[in-house]
Amino acid sequence: GESVGLHLPTLSVQEGDNSIINCAYSNSASDYFIWYKQESGKGPQFIIDIRSNMDKRQGQRVTVLLNKTVKHLSLQIAATQPGDSAVYFCAENSENTPFNSGNTPLVFGKGTRLSVIA
Amino acid sequence: DSGVTQTPKHLITATGQRVTLRCSPRSGDLSVYWYQQSLDQGLQFLIQYYNGEERAKGNILERFSAQQFPDLHSELNLSSLELGDSALYFCASSVGDRGIYEQYFGPGTRLTVT
Repeated sequence: GESVGLHLPTLSVQEGDNSIINCAYSNSASDYFIWYKQESGKGPQFIIDIRSNMDKRQGQRVTVLLNKTVKHLSLQIAATQPGDSAVYFCAENSENTPFNSGNTPLVFGKGTRLSVIA
Repeated sequence: DSGVTQTPKHLITATGQRVTLRCSPRSGDLSVYWYQQSLDQGLQFLIQYYNGEERAKGNILERFSAQQFPDLHSELNLSSLELGDSALYFCASSVGDRGIYEQYFGPGTRLTVT
C-alpha cells in the first residue's frame, strides 16, 4: 500500500544554521507533495508544496527538493530560528486521483521534530 | 488562524461512552477532512466529505461515523469509546475535493478516554 515515512524522528540544530528534513515515499504514482509544520498545541500548517514535474521549489527561507528517482523529498530551512521549532510532516498524493476512487486524499508521514538550540 | 473552527477544544469521557466532535470549515470550502493523531504518531486520515457527500474513507473504525450538513459543517461521532481512542482529532477543509487543494487545519479536539 501507500506509505510515506521520515528518515529521522528528531533533529536538533543551532540557531542560524540550515536545517534539512528528509522524507521517503513509496508510491511511484504520487505526483504532488506537501510539507506541513505543526507547532505544539496547534493544527498542521501548510509550508510549501511541489509537483512531480519539478525538482526544486523555493519559498521564503524554505526549499523543497524532490528526487523522483529514489522517491525522496527534503525540506531545507535556511537560517533556522527558534520559531521554526515544530514537528514537520511530509504528505503525498496523486493530482489525478479521480472522484470516489477510494484513495486517501493525502498520506502523511510520521513527522520529524525540529528543535532549535539558541 | 486557519479559519477552521473545532469544538470542543478538550473532551474527557469514560470508556463505553459516545461523543460528538464538531467542525466548521473555512468560508467557501466544500471539503471537510477528519484526521486522528495519537501521541508521537502522524496524521491518520479518517474520512472526507465534499459538499455533503462522503468522498473518501481512510482508517476509520466502524464505531466512528461522520456527516456533513447542508451548511457544510461536519460532525465526527465516536461511540463505544476505548482507551486507545484517546488522541487529537483534527478537522481540515479545502475548496476542492482532490489532494492538490491545500488543506487548512483547525486547532484540534483533544479527546481523553479514561
